[in-house]
Amino acid sequence: DTAVSQTPKYLVTQMGNDKSIKCEQNLGHDTMYWYKQDSKKFLKIMFSYNNKELIINETVPNRFSPKSPDKAHLNLHINSLELGDSAVYFCASSQAGYYGYTFGSGTRLTVV
Amino acid sequence: AQSVTQPDIHITVSEGASLELRCNYSYGATPYLFWYVQSPGQGLQLLLKYFSGDTLVQGIKGFEAEFKRSQSSFNLRKPSVHWSDAAEYFCAGDNTDKLIFGTGTRLQVFP
Repeated sequence: DTAVSQTPKYLVTQMGNDKSIKCEQNLGHDTMYWYKQDSKKFLKIMFSYNNKELIINETVPNRFSPKSPDKAHLNLHINSLELGDSAVYFCASSQAGYYGYTFGSGTRLTVV
Repeated sequence: AQSVTQPDIHITVSEGASLELRCNYSYGATPYLFWYVQSPGQGLQLLLKYFSGDTLVQGIKGFEAEFKRSQSSFNLRKPSVHWSDAAEYFCAGDNTDKLIFGTGTRLQVFP
């Protein structure tokens, strides 16, 4: 069983479209995250949710809207996609006291 | 501001040679520290982590890291590199419930 799973793995779409990426974790962790890895491999946090509550929002454009229907799921919806949104998006989860993060395998988004 | 620095963008070693990847951190208090590896087209795999206690941490795949408070460093080492170790390596710190990553070091291994 995959601990943190993301779908889709690849996403190619045109500018201006709206798309969603889904993430699910089966570890029972309370906190989930979205990280963005740009073309230079730099990883930066976008959002974190703790038990469905938004905790961190790192100055991400309003076009990005995370949604957590329950603590095992964290989805990322992106409106009006731009070329600069092309990146790999990683979902992760953690649990207080666990002192570690488990990452999904990433979603490679390409905007053309 | 909190930061993690990896001074080496790209390192090339011969197979069988020893390896040291550098990592420095800047935090108000000592953060939890991690090393992750990313193979091409793959996700992030945790190599090892430091929270407290013994400053020499053993990880998977024969890697170890040493925490040095006086130098604000957490360098990753391996005594003998294998061709399969070629990948991108990321150091990361955490003390506010989020990981802050360094910019990564790309390791190339020659036969």
